[in-house]
Amino acid sequence: DAGVIQSPRHEVTEMGQEVTLRCKPISGHDYLFWYRQTMMRGLELLIYFNNNVPIDDSGMPEDRFSAKMPNASFSTLKIQPSEPRDSAVYFCASSFDPPSTDTQYFGPGTRLTVL
Amino acid sequence: GQQLNQSPQSMFIQEGEDVSMNCTSSSIFNTWLWYKQDPGEGPVLLIALYKAGELTSNGRLTAQFGITRKDSFLNISASIPSDVGIYFCAGQLKETSGSRLTFGEGTQLTVNP
Repeated sequence: DAGVIQSPRHEVTEMGQEVTLRCKPISGHDYLFWYRQTMMRGLELLIYFNNNVPIDDSGMPEDRFSAKMPNASFSTLKIQPSEPRDSAVYFCASSFDPPSTDTQYFGPGTRLTVL
Repeated sequence: GQQLNQSPQSMFIQEGEDVSMNCTSSSIFNTWLWYKQDPGEGPVLLIALYKAGELTSNGRLTAQFGITRKDSFLNISASIPSDVGIYFCAGQLKETSGSRLTFGEGTQLTVNP
């Protein structure tokens, strides 16, 4: 089975540019999560969706960040305008609807570098 | 918010040795998860624990959900070089945080052949 798919795997951009990260969750999963990983702050949850609806976006750093899930098989995380402090690895994860199981399966991540 | 303390931060061991790492929380969880992350990859789920006191094994890995619901440990027996990576614990308490996971800081494991 294909796992969570993320693209691109690496992104290098200049400060002020718009960045769009993409995620395809595991088919049949009802939940989708966006995380950011840095050395300083570890793994942080940015936002998660249930059945394409944003449930908790309290981790989104600021208005420059936005996330959408137009359908069950696709989500985007957009940063506009990007800043050097946004450099990190961004992970997407998905899971089934509890209570069957709610363990999250992670994608390979997108390594973002903002110059 | 909930805080997870994971220790040790790093371990350097010889192949064949056993390893133990643990996580403690300032508040209770009703799910504990252990993940492993290889360089350049996302975390991969190793073991999931859903009941206080539960002891679960997955091959050479054994994890336990503490009775107080505020801690968990992961043991790796007879370590091998491919065990190298970063191990994360994660806790969840649906009543207050929904599906949000709180992650520990990670334990970097190095295994010398």
